[in-house]
Amino acid sequence: DAGVIQSPRHEVTEMGQEVTLRCKPISGHNSLFWYRQTMMRGLELLIYFNNNVPIDDSGMPEDRFSAKMPNASFSTLKIQPSEPRDSAVYFCASTLQGLNQPQHFGDGTRLSIL
Amino acid sequence: GESVGLHLPTLSVQEGDNSIINCAYSNSASDYFIWYKQESGKGPQFIIDIRSNMDKRQGQRVTVLLNKTVKHLSLQIAATQPGDSAVYFCAETYGQNFVFGPGTRLSVLP
Repeated sequence: DAGVIQSPRHEVTEMGQEVTLRCKPISGHNSLFWYRQTMMRGLELLIYFNNNVPIDDSGMPEDRFSAKMPNASFSTLKIQPSEPRDSAVYFCASTLQGLNQPQHFGDGTRLSIL
Repeated sequence: GESVGLHLPTLSVQEGDNSIINCAYSNSASDYFIWYKQESGKGPQFIIDIRSNMDKRQGQRVTVLLNKTVKHLSLQIAATQPGDSAVYFCAETYGQNFVFGPGTRLSVLP
């Protein structure tokens, strides 16, 4: 079975550029989560969607970050403009429904902003 | 992949021994708890979960214990193997909130 698929696996770009991270959840899963992981702050939940609708975006750092889920099989996390402090590993995860189930994680996108 | 904070607790265990990883959770209203394992370069992987109406749950070589009185969760790994070396995270859910703990690095010694 295909797990959660994230792309790209690695992204290096200069500050000020727009960055778009992509996620394909497990087929049939109705909830999708975006996380950021850094050495200093650990794993942070940024936003989660239920049935393609954003439920909680309180973890999104600031207006430079935006996330969309146009359909059940695709989501994007966009940073515009990017800054060096955005450098982190970004994970996407999905569940069948909601928070009270094990989340299945992708292998992440390692983002470096120079 | 990178793990967690600069002061990540580390547990070193001899191969074949049992491991116990502890976690203090933050909210007495939390009703669902999960343990994840994260290996280098990969996303967290589900190990075992437990709901607040239980105090113990067993899986294959793993046991999770929940003590709601002191808000404490533990993961026991029997007969620890080299492949168990990783960072282990507990996570809790309360309402619409989901929070990961800081993680513990498990190092299995030959």
